[in-house]
Amino acid sequence: EVQLVESGGGLVQPGRSMKLSCAASGFTFNNYDMAWVCQAPKKGLEWVATISYDGSSTYYRDSVKGRFTISRDNAKSTLYLQMDSLRSEDTATYYCARDDKVFAYWGQGTLVTVSS
Amino acid sequence: DIQLTQSPSTLPASLGERVTISCRASQSISNSLNWYQQKPDGTVKRLIYSTSTLESGVPSRFSGSGSGTDYSLSISSLESEDFAMYYCLQYATYPTFGGGTKLELK
Repeated sequence: EVQLVESGGGLVQPGRSMKLSCAASGFTFNNYDMAWVCQAPKKGLEWVATISYDGSSTYYRDSVKGRFTISRDNAKSTLYLQMDSLRSEDTATYYCARDDKVFAYWGQGTLVTVSS
Repeated sequence: DIQLTQSPSTLPASLGERVTISCRASQSISNSLNWYQQKPDGTVKRLIYSTSTLESGVPSRFSGSGSGTDYSLSISSLESEDFAMYYCLQYATYPTFGGGTKLELK
């Protein structure tokens, strides 16, 4: 069974950093592209970033380019999202997703609240 | 950027009813469209990919269709577990979601 478990969310002050993790199991992690998708409170879903199966290619939405970094450790079957220079508008639940045929499987999400 | 417009934003319906949710793209997306269901606890599940291919394990009462810029998700006979949020997603360019449709019990 495919399982994706996010962690690392919480309350953080504007301008600070936070790193999210997503532990994957139930499939061969290094065979799949992976992605992060976010959802602001009471709002819709937004794609954040994608990383290729081997980590060689990364893609970001414009609003996070230069601030967020997606990475992976295939030996640990873990996906990461390093978030720097956080803004109040980054407040959201962040989901990791397996990216076959685009977002085939999702985790439960981890809430990030950016507030002073 | 390709924009997706979902309608209606809220859909009141009854058990056993057939419903249809529409998703219109700002330009042709060549069938690069998926549908997702989100439950109130936040759980997200892909229902349909590539416009009309049903995800394994998804009940056959769900179906998808469309082409060009116009796509739809239909549920043939609503069951209680179907009341949820539904989102379309295009991946012809970098992924974008529709605004969502809340399917609620009438």
